[in-house]
Amino acid sequence: EVQLVESGGGLVQPGRSLRLSCAASGFIFDDYAMHWVRLVPGKGLEWVSGISWNSGTRGYADSVEGRFTISRDNAKNSLYLEMNSLRAEDTALYFCAKDPTDRLGYCSGGKCYSMNYFDYWGQGTLVTVSS
Amino acid sequence: DIQMTQSPSTLSASVGDRVSITCRASQNIGNWLAWYQHTPGKAPKLVIYRVSDLKSGVPSRFSGSGSGTEFTLTISSLQPNDFATYYCQQYNSFPGTFGGGTKVEI
Repeated sequence: EVQLVESGGGLVQPGRSLRLSCAASGFIFDDYAMHWVRLVPGKGLEWVSGISWNSGTRGYADSVEGRFTISRDNAKNSLYLEMNSLRAEDTALYFCAKDPTDRLGYCSGGKCYSMNYFDYWGQGTLVTVSS
Repeated sequence: DIQMTQSPSTLSASVGDRVSITCRASQNIGNWLAWYQHTPGKAPKLVIYRVSDLKSGVPSRFSGSGSGTEFTLTISSLQPNDFATYYCQQYNSFPGTFGGGTKVEI
């Protein structure tokens, strides 16, 4: 059974940092790309970032580019999201999500042109950015 | 980014009802559309991908249709477990974007 368990959320002041983790089990982790998706209160779901199976391709939403860094440790079956310079608008429930393929979508020359859907999700970890 | 618009935002229904949710894309996304079900406190679940392909294990009362810019998720006979919020997602272009959600309530 596929399981994705997020951790690391909490209350943090604007401008500070936080690191989210996602522990994966029930599938061959390094065969698949992985993503972070957030549920923003009153706004809905927003894709945040994704990483290919071998970390060769990483993508970010414009809203977090330059502030967030996605990474993975295939030996530990774990996905991470380093979040810096946090803002009030980053307040959300953050989900770890599995891609059905090993890549983010169609990417060429450092740019991605399409994505995939997400076949499994975790329950999420809540991040609240407030002073 | 492609904008996805869902309607209605809230849908009140009863067990046994047939319900439909519409999702419109701001430009042609072909068949690259997925639907998810989310109940608070639980992990979102993939229901349908590629417009009409049911994820393994999803009951056959769920179905999807449409192409291009207009899509529909239909639940033929609403069951107690189906009361949740449903989101559509286009994955034709990068980044993938979601609709605002439709809450199906009793």
